[in-house]
Amino acid sequence: AQSVSQHNHHVILSEAASLELGCNYSYGGTVNLFWYVQYPGQHLQLLLKYFSGDPLVKGIKGFEAEFIKSKFSFNLRKPSVQWSDTAEYFCALLTGTASKLTFGTGTRLQVTL
Amino acid sequence: DAGVTQSPTHLIKTRGQQVTLRCSPKSGHDTVSWYQQALGQGPQFIFQYYEEEERQRGNFPDRFSGHQFPNYSSELNVNALLLGDSALYLCASSLVPGNEQFFGPGTRLTVL
Repeated sequence: AQSVSQHNHHVILSEAASLELGCNYSYGGTVNLFWYVQYPGQHLQLLLKYFSGDPLVKGIKGFEAEFIKSKFSFNLRKPSVQWSDTAEYFCALLTGTASKLTFGTGTRLQVTL
Repeated sequence: DAGVTQSPTHLIKTRGQQVTLRCSPKSGHDTVSWYQQALGQGPQFIFQYYEEEERQRGNFPDRFSGHQFPNYSSELNVNALLLGDSALYLCASSLVPGNEQFFGPGTRLTVL
């Protein structure tokens, strides 16, 4: 069965610091990968997605992620975080044989001024 | 363009009762998936409906059932509620199964 691991449960950064959130998955076949964000009091929103092609994908609000197949990873990055990036971030996997999303447990990002 | 909508926003029930949650997909979407998000956890897949049939199911008991209507809207029913069913229930829609999913705001269910 597929699974997603997010090792950083709670990250605290100062504004302008660089961000990298880890995501590793377990599945041997073709994968589609997503990062979703949940701002306080708001619903899950798609940050970016990888289906195929260029393994470096760019999303909204300056976020990007790199798919490294050999490492089963899809880490999320942002060069300079803002206070408004404070939110919960979820990595999710959609496998080729199923259409259900498998989520990681999430990383709570707190950006301080 | 309306996104995914869910009703009600909040619900309080007691153990043993039954509950029905509703979801309207994003315009043009025909596939609806339901997820349960417990506090501090990522969403867990319950099931998916496409062409009015349950297409796929996660590891949830038969107390959880659903329905999809001809207009693609969907209901999630939970019978014999347990305290552990307290969670945020999310509905997501997609253009077809396998495409990216768009989430609604969720229904917060509290079981006392």
